[in-house]
Amino acid sequence: NAGVTQTPKFQVLKTGQSMTLQCAQDMNHNSMYWYRQDPGMGLRLIYYSASEGTTDKGEVPNGYNVSRLNKREFSLRLESAAPSQTSVYFCASRRTGGAFFGQGTRLTVV
Amino acid sequence: AQRVTQPEKLLSVFKGAPVELKCNYSYSGSPELFWYVQYSRQRLQLLLRHISRESIKGFTADLNKGETSFHLKKPFAQEEDSAMYYCALRTGTTDSWGKFQFGAGTQVVVTP
Repeated sequence: NAGVTQTPKFQVLKTGQSMTLQCAQDMNHNSMYWYRQDPGMGLRLIYYSASEGTTDKGEVPNGYNVSRLNKREFSLRLESAAPSQTSVYFCASRRTGGAFFGQGTRLTVV
Repeated sequence: AQRVTQPEKLLSVFKGAPVELKCNYSYSGSPELFWYVQYSRQRLQLLLRHISRESIKGFTADLNKGETSFHLKKPFAQEEDSAMYYCALRTGTTDSWGKFQFGAGTQVVVTP
């Protein structure tokens, strides 16, 4: 039972490069989320998807795009990476109750 | 607007001493509150959910709507409790979806 799986685990990008963070869950959850975690700021919601085919902006959406490809997968894209996007990114999913988190992607933009 | 406040960035306690992590929230709707724990460089794990009113790893938390608080307590801290703890508030009109608002987190260090 994998739960929520994120790829890659680590990534270094140069400023201006693009990349997509992948997230998949095998728990048949409707809701999926992308958060970024920064020291002293906790977790901040970037985008979320209440169900397949829908996405909405969270607290810090600028510089990001998302795709809810199907019920299992929710990807996060950085079109033109900036040093301010250096962070740890967590994907999560939920049906009822609490959310389940992936192991995180540690992204560094230089 | 909804907000979750964890006033302590760092709590340092001795093994065997009680520990209390504070969490206050502001939300105009009916709150659903959680505590998550994150051990060093690992994923966040659900620790407690206020609706279930259960005790996990010796931790308990009570929702006080009058004081808008959801403090986390443990009577005797253990070294393995050293971790980052996040309080979270779920907002949403139905149980089937909703966003989670997280506090800034409290780092707990338990020393022998």
